[in-house]
Amino acid sequence: DVVMTQSPLSLPVTLGQAASISCRSSQSLVYKDKNTYLNWFQQRPGQSPRRLLYKISNRESGVPDRFSGSGSVTDFTLKISRVEAEDVGIYYCMQGTHWPYTFGQGTKLEI
Amino acid sequence: EVQLVESGGDLVQPGGSLRLSCAASGFNFGSYWMGWVRQAPGKGLEWVGNIKRDGSEQQYMGSVKGRFAISRDNAKNSLYLQMNSLTVEDTAVYYCARDCGDDCWGFDNWGQGTLVTVSS
Repeated sequence: DVVMTQSPLSLPVTLGQAASISCRSSQSLVYKDKNTYLNWFQQRPGQSPRRLLYKISNRESGVPDRFSGSGSVTDFTLKISRVEAEDVGIYYCMQGTHWPYTFGQGTKLEI
Repeated sequence: EVQLVESGGDLVQPGGSLRLSCAASGFNFGSYWMGWVRQAPGKGLEWVGNIKRDGSEQQYMGSVKGRFAISRDNAKNSLYLQMNSLTVEDTAVYYCARDCGDDCWGFDNWGQGTLVTVSS
């Protein structure tokens, strides 16, 4: 199985500052169709997860542009340009390239 | 608006069985892969399994293979998770999720979850 490793696991930030979360996979996430199915999810306290980004950097509808994704092959990053109070929660990366799908451990973002 | 509503969560004894349901609306259910993801109390997300659009293929995580079965009824816009031989490690909130499928793989819509507690 592909192991997804996130860092840091805890991320204290100041409102208005930038934040960055790393996600590394144990093998390449490039699929045979040349796409890379790396997703990022946000889970606010008490809520269901919500997808923020897919295929590394594509934002879901309604996701603020302060969220961006980058990376390739096995190394990926989620960046929040200016953290707002509503961004508090746990962020997960997940690969959809290989069965079984696997998630990172989660990164808890707190103000 | 896409809606996914899970039901069927309950308290069950170790070794017991339970069937979860997910009612889908707001989209063409039969055109999407669907999946189940679980979250143990205070823990992270864990993919359980997926089922193809027409139900002809299922994929599962290792620890549930042979114990869990995902099925669907496209005529009823419903997804199911049959769970057998439950252990305390299966205690979790179970989410039904839509997989956007080809050229997109990953879950773009989630339900609110249903709690399964396995305990004697």
